[in-house]
Amino acid sequence: KQEVTQIPAALSVPEGENLVLNCSFTDSAIYNLQWFRQDPGKGLTSLLLIQSSQREQTSGRLNASLDKSSGRSTLYIAASQPGDSATYLCAGHGSSNTGKLIFGQGTTLQVKP
Amino acid sequence: DAGVIQSPRHEVTEMGQEVTLRCKPISGHNSLFWYRQTMMRGLELLIYFNNNVPIDDSGMPEDRFSAKMPNASFSTLKIQPSEPRDSAVYFCASSLSGRNQPQHFGDGTRLSIL
Repeated sequence: KQEVTQIPAALSVPEGENLVLNCSFTDSAIYNLQWFRQDPGKGLTSLLLIQSSQREQTSGRLNASLDKSSGRSTLYIAASQPGDSATYLCAGHGSSNTGKLIFGQGTTLQVKP
Repeated sequence: DAGVIQSPRHEVTEMGQEVTLRCKPISGHNSLFWYRQTMMRGLELLIYFNNNVPIDDSGMPEDRFSAKMPNASFSTLKIQPSEPRDSAVYFCASSLSGRNQPQHFGDGTRLSIL
């Protein structure tokens, strides 16, 4: 059974710092991995999706990597801003042919001005 | 472009009442997902439709929960009778078919059962 873990549960950094959020999964047969952002009282916004044949994806100040062999994914945020404050969730698709995503519990990020 | 639209945004009702949550997916998307989010259990998939057909309902907690998708632009999640432990935020998401398609979420329905 696939399990997704995110560490740390919460993180507070000063503005301008580069930071890394971690996501680990138990089944290396994970098909792909998606990173989301959730603001308080809101739904999830898709940030990046790393497809099965890819090792990383980049969008602006965000870079996500996927290493299936080690069961890990990281989300790198460059030059953090207060507007980046939110909860970040990673989710993986299993190897079976369904749309089922397994979510981690999330990392709540606070970027202080 | 309109995103996934859920209604109501908030629902407060008494135990035993029927609750119906509604979702309009993004036009053109043919996969629809219902999730539940709680502090204790995080985000859990309840049921997943593809082309209006339920594919995986293994996450539906009990027979009190039912979901329908009568057409490509509308889905409902019904709880009858509701219980206090059903209190949570319920999200609907949609995507194009295929595992390499990102899922797009609505803003959720915050449900409180008294």
